[in-house]
Amino acid sequence: ETGVTQSPTHLIKTRGQQVTLRCSSQSGHNTVSWYQQALGQGPQFIFQYYREEENGRGNFPPRFSGLQFPNYSSELNVNALELDDSALYLCASSQTNRATYNEQFFGPGTRLTVL
Amino acid sequence: QQQVKQSPQSLIVQKGGISIINCAYENTAFDYFPWYQQFPGKGPALLIAIRPDVSEKKEGRFTISFNKSAKQFSLHIMDSQPGDSATYFCAASEPGGNNRLAFGKGNQVVVIP
Repeated sequence: ETGVTQSPTHLIKTRGQQVTLRCSSQSGHNTVSWYQQALGQGPQFIFQYYREEENGRGNFPPRFSGLQFPNYSSELNVNALELDDSALYLCASSQTNRATYNEQFFGPGTRLTVL
Repeated sequence: QQQVKQSPQSLIVQKGGISIINCAYENTAFDYFPWYQQFPGKGPALLIAIRPDVSEKKEGRFTISFNKSAKQFSLHIMDSQPGDSATYFCAASEPGGNNRLAFGKGNQVVVIP
């Protein structure tokens, strides 16, 4: 177990709705990255939060947004849900050190189904 | 655009055999190459990682071989066990910034007793 927790574990929404997913990072980590993993695919980078600010974004539309809180936990918000948003959403925490690569520890994910 | 490509898509290996999964990349700026193991219903877990200044790294039954000139790296699982049955992802990252990981599509490995 990595110590990274995510909630909820499963979620069913309908097209057009909005959803908020939550992540608690591992103790001592200050950085949270979010990935989307479609069925049968590898995870795709959505964005990263470091010290409560967005620190890089992948090829995802603005309806995907996030927050990081002072305790380094994070939220992923998706507006105007589409059927293709159905996926496993993974949160990864790390301790950013600019001098070295920072290993990312993944949580178990939230399975989102959009009907 | 898939920055990291894996092959084969799936693999069936006898217990005690060797599982070999290959990965290729295009971005020469990548300088960190991890392999992740994922079981159903779980998040990916780091298995082993390598930097391009070495050609091979071994940890227990798992070995990464790295060929910088060919822009390829592979995972070898020695003495494969049924508990190794999982999906394996190769990934790559550029230096600095946010260390975002570019993942391959994954290989499903099944080890039969």
